[in-house]
Amino acid sequence: NAGVTQTPKFRILKIGQSMTLQCTQDMNHNYMYWYRQDPGMGLKLIYYSVGAGITDKGEVPNGYNVSRSTTEDFPLRLELAAPSQTSVYFCASSYSSSGRTSYEQYFGPGTRLTVT
Amino acid sequence: RKEVEQDPGPFNVPEGATVAFNCTYSNSASQSFFWYRQDCRKEPKLLMSVYSSGNEDGRFTAQLNRASQYISLLIRDSKLSDSATYLCVVSPYGGATNKLIFGTGTLLAVQP
Repeated sequence: NAGVTQTPKFRILKIGQSMTLQCTQDMNHNYMYWYRQDPGMGLKLIYYSVGAGITDKGEVPNGYNVSRSTTEDFPLRLELAAPSQTSVYFCASSYSSSGRTSYEQYFGPGTRLTVT
Repeated sequence: RKEVEQDPGPFNVPEGATVAFNCTYSNSASQSFFWYRQDCRKEPKLLMSVYSSGNEDGRFTAQLNRASQYISLLIRDSKLSDSATYLCVVSPYGGATNKLIFGTGTLLAVQP
């Protein structure tokens, strides 16, 4: 099991460019999440998904979009990148079913994004 | 008021010392509580869950005080490898979404 994988590890974008951060998990988890972490700040939830075809906004969704066409993949799209989106982005997954909820979230290694 | 508040540290302690971290949360309806560990430039990983009766895992002890909305983590006999940021994490929602609220973390540096 690779767990949660993210690509790319690093990226530098110019203001106004777009990109997609990839996230894949091979644990058959139904829940997936995108967070950003700024220096000295806690992780902030951007978007989450409770299953294929279902996504919802988190605390800081502006400037981002997501899709969840399969259980395994949960890409995060940045449109019109801005310096305020310079951050470390973490993807995570967890499992829940009726009668059993695991709150442990498994994180990918992160993508360090700089927008200049 | 932040939903989850922690002392940012850093806590600089010698090897073998006992160190305690505290955390407060604002939502009295919070359901579940955790400590995660994050090494420098790495992803967070679950250290331990925190149960109402308190729980221990080796050198680590976690306590929860629901009345005071307070969580603690005690590390005994600190090792160099314990150096990391410790994140206090709360699930205010429970149930369907598994959403978590993360504190900003407390930095621990164990010195030889």
